[in-house]
Amino acid sequence: GNSVTQMEGPVTLSEEAFLTINCTYTATGYPSLFWYVQYPGEGLQLLLKATKADDKGSNKGFEATYRKETTSFHLEKGSVQVSDSAVYFCALTTGTSGSARQLTFGSGTQLTVLP
Amino acid sequence: GAGVSQSPSNKVTEKGKDVELRCDPISGHTALYWYRQSLGQGLEFLIYFQGNSAPDKSGLPSDRFSAERTGGSVSTLTIQRTQQEDSAVYLCASSPEGGRSYGYTFGSGTRLTVV
Repeated sequence: GNSVTQMEGPVTLSEEAFLTINCTYTATGYPSLFWYVQYPGEGLQLLLKATKADDKGSNKGFEATYRKETTSFHLEKGSVQVSDSAVYFCALTTGTSGSARQLTFGSGTQLTVLP
Repeated sequence: GAGVSQSPSNKVTEKGKDVELRCDPISGHTALYWYRQSLGQGLEFLIYFQGNSAPDKSGLPSDRFSAERTGGSVSTLTIQRTQQEDSAVYLCASSPEGGRSYGYTFGSGTRLTVV
């Protein structure tokens, strides 16, 4: 089956610090990989995605590279802001049809950025 | 619509009562998903619809839970005889055909509290 493992939180950083949130996966088939962000009191928003090996997804200063050899999709940002405080979820799907389309999520990583 | 709409946003119900949660997906999205987010439990897949049919109901926790989708659009998740352990945020997501590449768009969720 499919599974996603994220680094345990919470993560607390000072503004302008470098961020890495680790994500590794196991999958049957060839997965597409996603990072979602959930701001306080809101639903999940797609942050970035990558659909094949070596692809780099990027958005709002965040980046993640699809590493097939290490089955990883680590999220990075060079300089975090207070407004980045949220819960970050790594996720994958392997299907193009049927039930394989469902997203499998990691457990989420709470990020708090202090001014 | 422009986004995935869920209603109500908050619901408080007495133990033993039935509740209905509604999801209005993005127009034209053929796939619809229900997830449950409980404190400390992460995101739990409940059910997936393709059009009006549900090829994967594997995540429904018990026979008190049911869902339907009509007209390939609006979906209703029904919980009968609610229990306190049903308290959670229920999230709906939709995606176009081929969600593997597009990712999913989530609604803001319905926060259900069973007292």
